[in-house]
Amino acid sequence: KAGVTQTPRYLIKTRGQQVTLSCSPISGHRSVSWYQQTPGQGLQFLFEYFSETQRNKGNFPGRFSGRQFSNSRSEMNVSTLELGDSALYLCASSPAGRFTYGYTFGSGTRLTVV
Amino acid sequence: GQQLNQSPQSMFIQEGEDVSMNCTSSSIFNTWLWYKQDPGEGPVLLIALYKAGELTSNGRLTAQFGITRKDSFLNISASIPSDVGIYFCAGPPSNTGNQFYFGTGTSLTVIP
Repeated sequence: KAGVTQTPRYLIKTRGQQVTLSCSPISGHRSVSWYQQTPGQGLQFLFEYFSETQRNKGNFPGRFSGRQFSNSRSEMNVSTLELGDSALYLCASSPAGRFTYGYTFGSGTRLTVV
Repeated sequence: GQQLNQSPQSMFIQEGEDVSMNCTSSSIFNTWLWYKQDPGEGPVLLIALYKAGELTSNGRLTAQFGITRKDSFLNISASIPSDVGIYFCAGPPSNTGNQFYFGTGTSLTVIP
């Protein structure tokens, strides 16, 4: 069974640009969460989508947004990129939003803002 | 926001040694999860704990859900070089619905 797929794996963008990252969850998983990982801040929760609805949101500015499609695939968008947005962005899926089973993570998208 | 403190922050051990790490929170957790992250990859779930006092093993790994529900412990026996990585505890505090928090991580280096 295919795992969580994130594309692209690596991305270099310039300050002020915007970027869209994609996540395809494990087949049958309806919950998708996004995390930002940096050396200084660790793993920080961005948001969670379940059945195309944002169910939880972390403490990030409005420049960070996301959406989920009817096939459970999810995208996150960061507008007006800042140098501090350079990070590994991880997507995780879980079945039917049952977090007690734990999330399965993708390999992440490494975003570098220059 | 919620903080999960892991200790130690980093460990350097000889191959074959046993490893212990822990995770503490200011809030009560209903579920504790332990993940391992290899460089450049996403975290991989190692062990899940669902009940206070529960002790669960996965090969050489053993984890425990603390009785107070505010802490958890992970032990690795007879470490091998492929145990190298960052270990995270994680879970949803009982008062935050589905929001999921991660610990600060313990970086493990195994010296052959």
